[in-house]
This record gives sequence, C-alpha cells and structure tokens, in this order.
Amino acid sequence: GAGVSQSPSNKVTEKGKDVELRCDPISGHTALYWYRQSLGQGLEFLIYFQGNSAPDKSGLPSDRFSAERTGGSVSTLTIQRTQQEDSAVYLCASSPGTSGRVVYNEQFFGPGTRLTVL
Amino acid sequence: AQRVTQPEKLLSVFKGAPVELKCNYSYSGSPELFWYVQYSRQRLQLLLRHISRESIKGFTADLNKGETSFHLKKPFAQEEDSAMYYCALLSAGGTSYGKLTFGQGTILTVHP
Repeated sequence: GAGVSQSPSNKVTEKGKDVELRCDPISGHTALYWYRQSLGQGLEFLIYFQGNSAPDKSGLPSDRFSAERTGGSVSTLTIQRTQQEDSAVYLCASSPGTSGRVVYNEQFFGPGTRLTVL
Repeated sequence: AQRVTQPEKLLSVFKGAPVELKCNYSYSGSPELFWYVQYSRQRLQLLLRHISRESIKGFTADLNKGETSFHLKKPFAQEEDSAMYYCALLSAGGTSYGKLTFGQGTILTVHP
C-alpha cells in the first residue's frame, strides 16, 4: 500500500506569513509524529498524536507552531508568522500505534516538506 | 532528560574497509535504541534495532550499557552504504511513548 505522504514537497514563503503542512499517514496507523530536520540541529521531535489527541506537544518550539489531526488520519502542522529560523525539512511519520508497554512499532517516514522562509 | 550524541558529522572510508559510526546516549531507564538511515533522495528508514540483535545489510550494533553506547559497525564497507545515519533512542513511558530522540546524524561516504 501507499506510504506516508506529505504536501507540499517544497514551500517557499515570506517572513511573517502563515504556512500549513499536511501529512497523510499510512492507512490504519493510529500514531503520528512530526519532526523537524535542519542543518546543525539534526532531527528534532515536535509533536505526537495518538488518534486525534496529542499527548506530547513538548517539542513545539513556540506558540507559533500548532498541529491538529482529524478523523484519526490526516494531520496539519501550522506555523504562524514564519521566521527565517523556521526554514527546515518537516518530516511526518506514522506507526501502527502504541498501547501501553508493547513492542515498539516501527515509524514510517514521509518524504518531508522543505520549508524556506525568505 | 534523554540525549543521543553522534560525535562525527562526517565519516569517510574506502570500499572494503571496516566502518564504525559512534553513538552515545543518556537515559535514566532501560534504553531501546535504533539506527535509521537516509540514502540520497530517499526517505528516512529503520536500519536496525538493538532489541532484535539483528544484522541488516552487514551492519550490526551492540548496546553497551556500561559505556552507554550503541555503535554501528560493518566489517567491509560498500559504496552503496554511503548515506546519512541517525542513532535514535525511544521514549518508553508516559505521554511520550514512541517518541524518538535522534542524534545529529553522521554522513558516511564510502569511496571506491
């Protein structure tokens, strides 16, 4: 079946504008993760969804960042009033889900959205 | 707080030479560690996990709790091994279950 998809693949925006990044997880995967990949910072965790709820938002860098997930499927990461330091590749990953202390479910990554803030 | 350190940003070896990508971690509980790989123009993907004690594409990684390390090794590197490698540590409790903490990555280049 299809893997994780993300759109757009590339986004160039001006400083101060809002952007929305979309993630379509693998069908049936209940867990969804957002990460940010930037030069010098490696891969940073942003937020985690189990179903539609986000038990862990600890990685969101500021209140300009928000995310939601609807129908236990598609997720949108929104960055308001973008800044140049927001430029990065935003990765989404999904996994079959988590249920207490169970064997780790492999995370499957999307191709990423490359965001450039001018 | 948990932390993963990959001290080498770049690593170059010649084909057929042994290769070792270093990873050290800091974690208060019992760690679960992974290596992820990203080949050129491809997605990030799981290479191996310590709990499986497996060898994938000739790579192995042993968890050393005493040294808090999880180094990735291959006895004879191949050109197709050239990629970005990330070491990752799993959060295994509470609201953060499933969250991966990644190191900064090591770019491996295998020369012909």
